[in-house]
Formats: sequence, C-alpha cells, structure tokens
Amino acid sequence: GAVVSQHPSWVICKSGTSVKIECRSLDFQATTMFWYRQFPKQSLMLMATSNEGSKATYEQGVEKDKFLINHASLTLSTLTVTSAHPEDSSFYICSAREPTGKRQPQHFGDGTRLSIL
Amino acid sequence: DAKTTQPTSMDCAEGRAANLPCNHSTISGNEYVYWYRQIHSQGPQYIIHGLKNNETNEMASLIITEDRKSSTLILPHATLRDTAVYYCIVMAGNEKLTFGTGTRLTIIP
Repeated sequence: GAVVSQHPSWVICKSGTSVKIECRSLDFQATTMFWYRQFPKQSLMLMATSNEGSKATYEQGVEKDKFLINHASLTLSTLTVTSAHPEDSSFYICSAREPTGKRQPQHFGDGTRLSIL
Repeated sequence: DAKTTQPTSMDCAEGRAANLPCNHSTISGNEYVYWYRQIHSQGPQYIIHGLKNNETNEMASLIITEDRKSSTLILPHATLRDTAVYYCIVMAGNEKLTFGTGTRLTIIP
C-alpha cells in the first residue's frame, strides 16, 4: 500500500528556533500533500494544502509566514515552523493522496511531536 | 460539506465484531464516505471508503444504507490492536478531509 514517511518523529528545541519537518511519499508521486496539527485530546485540524511547484494554500487563521511550506518535488514536502514558541508545541501530521483519481484516499505519516521549551 | 455524527465512545469484546455507526444525513450524491482510525500518538490510518455500494477489504467492511444517510463500519473480529479513535468523514467537494471527534473504540480482553 501507499506509504508516507515523516521525519523527525520527535523534536525538542528552545524557543525562538526554527524547525523543519519532512514528509515523503515513498512509493508514489504526490502532487498534493496536506499538513495537519493536533493538540492534545483534540481532533486533527488542516493547516495547509501543499501543491508541487506552486504556493501552498493555508487555512483561515494559519500564519503563512510562521509555517513555511515547500513542495519542491513530487515526493517531498517540508513544513518549517519559524521562530517557534511554546504555543507551537503540537503534533504535526502530513498526508498525501495517490494521484490516480481525486477520490483516492489520503495516506498519513506517523506525525512529528514538537515540543518547544 | 456534509457533517457526520458518531457516538463518542464504544466498547467491544475481543474476538467479536465491532460495528461503528455514522450518520451523514446531508451527504450529497457525489460525496464518498471515508473511514480512518488513529491509534494513540500515531498518524491516521486509512481503512475503507465507498459511495453507495457496500465495500469490503482486508481490514473491514463498509455498509452504506440505500438512502446513503448513514453507514456502518464493521471490524469482523476485533483485536486489542483495534483500540483507536475511528473517524467517519464525508469527502468535501474541494477534496479536503475534515476530521470530527470520531468514536473512541475500546476492545476489551
């Protein structure tokens, strides 16, 4: 089946630093990838849609200058949390959809747990 | 986007069939029903999806009522590893998955 890999799985860093999270589709090409955020005991919230070769589309309320998304190839999208602060601590999850038709399911990575001290 | 309603939590005995209901009374004719699950501290896992016919794969079966206003996910022989939060999602016309609160399924030994 389709596999999405996310790295790193856990990050702890100091306030003010920037953190990059990678999302790779391992066995298929993904023109569209998605980034979600999940706070404890809450459901997943879509942050942005990442399109290969073009700018990401951000959901309302998500700061595009804070969460930089790059989708430079058909198998890799990156999310950079710039100048991270404790309130950015969360579980970040990416997903990718197989390209064979829009109704194909999204496949998710295992998530990155970000802790800002 | 059609909304879904699921019970907050359910228990099921290990080895029995787990039947998870979902109401989606405002679903549109071209919208699919997708089921995902999330095991603690992991990313969601795709289970199955369907439009109007019943579907079965190696993980589960999906039963969609004739009027498409509700569906049931069936895990035929539940194991402890099936303990998770199960999400029933109707795919929006703009292709975005919107996660609700889901059903927390606990498999009891």
